[in-house]
Amino acid sequence: EVQLVESGGGLVQPGRSLRLSCAASGFTFDDYAMHWVRQAPGKGLEWVSGISWNSGSIGYADSVKGRFTISRDNAKNSLYLQMNSLRAEDTALYYCAKDIRGRYSSGLDYYGMDVWGQGTTVTVSS
Amino acid sequence: DIQMTQSPSSLSASVGDRVTITCQASQDISNYLNWYQQKPGKAPKLLIYDASNLETGVPSRFSGSGSGTDFTFTISSLQPEDIATYYCQQYDNPLLTFGGGTKVEIK
Repeated sequence: EVQLVESGGGLVQPGRSLRLSCAASGFTFDDYAMHWVRQAPGKGLEWVSGISWNSGSIGYADSVKGRFTISRDNAKNSLYLQMNSLRAEDTALYYCAKDIRGRYSSGLDYYGMDVWGQGTTVTVSS
Repeated sequence: DIQMTQSPSSLSASVGDRVTITCQASQDISNYLNWYQQKPGKAPKLLIYDASNLETGVPSRFSGSGSGTDFTFTISSLQPEDIATYYCQQYDNPLLTFGGGTKVEIK
């Protein structure tokens, strides 16, 4: 069974840091780009960041650029999101998601998300 | 950055009705568009990819069309289990963006 399990969320003060993790199983992790997508309480979906299968291509939403860092460890089938200088507006449920197409697809680095975790909640508050 | 304008933001329809949601991109994105369904308290689910291709296992009452800047998502006959919020998402790299969502309710 293809599965993504996020961890690392919690309550953190503004300006502090937090590191999210996502453990993947049931598929060849290093064949796929991966993403972080967040959803603030009662709001819509926001793509946060994506990373290609070999970490050669990385993208960030403008709202997190310079503060968040995405990374992956293919040997551990794991995806990470280092979040620094956290703000109240970063409060959200953070989803880890697998890209739709594998690395042997020609063209783009990212296509979208076909497998999602259940999310981990980040609350930024004093 | 490419902005995705989705409408309506909510709608109410009867079981069996045809439901249509539109999504407009701020620039030409070819067919680089996906549609997702999110039920309350659940993670999103991919329904349509590349604007018009039905994801495996998704009922055929769901469909998508369009290219360039204008896209349409249709439920041909609304069912009670279709109550959810639907999102479009563009993937004209390097940044991905979602539409604002359409909440579908039963009248």
